[in-house]
Amino acid sequence: KAGVTQTPRYLIKTRGQQVTLSCSPISGHRSVSWYQQTPGQGLQFLFEYFSETQRNKGNFPGRFSGRQFSNSRSEMNVSTLELGDSALYLCASSPSGPSYNEQFFGPGTRLTVL
Amino acid sequence: SQQGEEDPQALSIQEGENATMNCSYKTSINNLQWYRQNSGRGLVHLILIRSNEREKHSGRLRVTLDTSKKSSSLLITASRAADTASYFCATAANFGNEKLTFGTGTRLTIIP
Repeated sequence: KAGVTQTPRYLIKTRGQQVTLSCSPISGHRSVSWYQQTPGQGLQFLFEYFSETQRNKGNFPGRFSGRQFSNSRSEMNVSTLELGDSALYLCASSPSGPSYNEQFFGPGTRLTVL
Repeated sequence: SQQGEEDPQALSIQEGENATMNCSYKTSINNLQWYRQNSGRGLVHLILIRSNEREKHSGRLRVTLDTSKKSSSLLITASRAADTASYFCATAANFGNEKLTFGTGTRLTIIP
């Protein structure tokens, strides 16, 4: 099976812009989670989707949003970018969710905000 | 914020030696998972241990879990240069609360 794919791999934006990141899970996986990784805060949970429903959301401002499509592919959007949003954004998929299964991570999208 | 703390933050050992990393967490868990990350890339799953398990093995990896102390350890035996990476523990709290809470990580360097 193909692994988790994320696009784009690298992105450079300026403050105030918005960005959309995409994640394609492993075929058959219905749970997709998103994480932000920064040197200062480490790995922080953003949100988790299962069958197009958001089951959990981390402590991020409303500028961070996401969705999941019927084919389990997921997107996350960050509006009004700030310098502090520069990070590696990772998505992970699993059949049922982190409480049930190991997570399979994609390579990440490296976002730089100038 | 991070739930878990990992100890040590960094570890350097000679190739062939064993490496032990510890993880502590704060709340009750459903399972605890260990991941490896190479140089800012994606995370690779190593082992998942459930709250009713005490020890688990996978190849050169051995994980223990002590829920009374809210701690876990990862032992890598006969280390190799390719084991150089950052290692993270992550906890899943309970069914329905679907998220992983990651520890701060241990940076492991294997000296050839």
